[in-house]
Amino acid sequence: AQTVTQSQPEMSVQEAETVTLSCTYDTSESDYYLFWYKQPPSRQMILVIRQEAYKQQNATENRFSVNFQKAAKSFSLKISDSQLGDAAMYFCAYRSAKRRLNSGYALNFGKGTSLLVTP
Amino acid sequence: DAGVTQSPTHLIKTRGQQVTLRCSPKSGHDTVSWYQQALGQGPQFIFQYYEEEERQRGNFPDRFSGHQFPNYSSELNVNALLLGDSALYLCASSLAWGGYRHTEAFFGQGTRLTVV
Repeated sequence: AQTVTQSQPEMSVQEAETVTLSCTYDTSESDYYLFWYKQPPSRQMILVIRQEAYKQQNATENRFSVNFQKAAKSFSLKISDSQLGDAAMYFCAYRSAKRRLNSGYALNFGKGTSLLVTP
Repeated sequence: DAGVTQSPTHLIKTRGQQVTLRCSPKSGHDTVSWYQQALGQGPQFIFQYYEEEERQRGNFPDRFSGHQFPNYSSELNVNALLLGDSALYLCASSLAWGGYRHTEAFFGQGTRLTVV
């Protein structure tokens, strides 16, 4: 079974600064997807960024970027120019690329990192 | 375009009772997954429904069951409630087939279940 580990229960960053959230995972598969989800107090899980394992280029979405190290099984999230609205729980998630016939997928989540943003 | 909607938003039940949670997927989606998120934890996969059948199941007992209707909406049923079933229950919808982007999961706001 694939496991996802987030070793930072809580992180803090000042507004306009940069912060990096860590994630490691364990898998024997070679083809998979990795995600970062944001969960604000409203509880709705929002997709921040995705990475396909077969792509060597790190994904970027505006102020959010990842450092994907496939050999090290590491997938960190960098948030640049942090804003007060970035404060939330951040979850790293893994999804196998293999599908069973006529099925979708299941996401394996880490325990999350609580990000505090101070003015 | 309505996203994933869940009902109710909050629920309080007594130990031993049964509960039903409901989910309507995002328009165009045909697959519904359910997750349990205990306080301070990441979501744990319960099961997934496609074409009205359970297609994948996580490590949850048979007290957890579900159903998917022809309009793709879904219900999660939990029997013989335990205190440990208190959690946020999240529903996610997606498209079973298609290009990668079509399989992105969209989540609802969840149902907060408290068992007393």
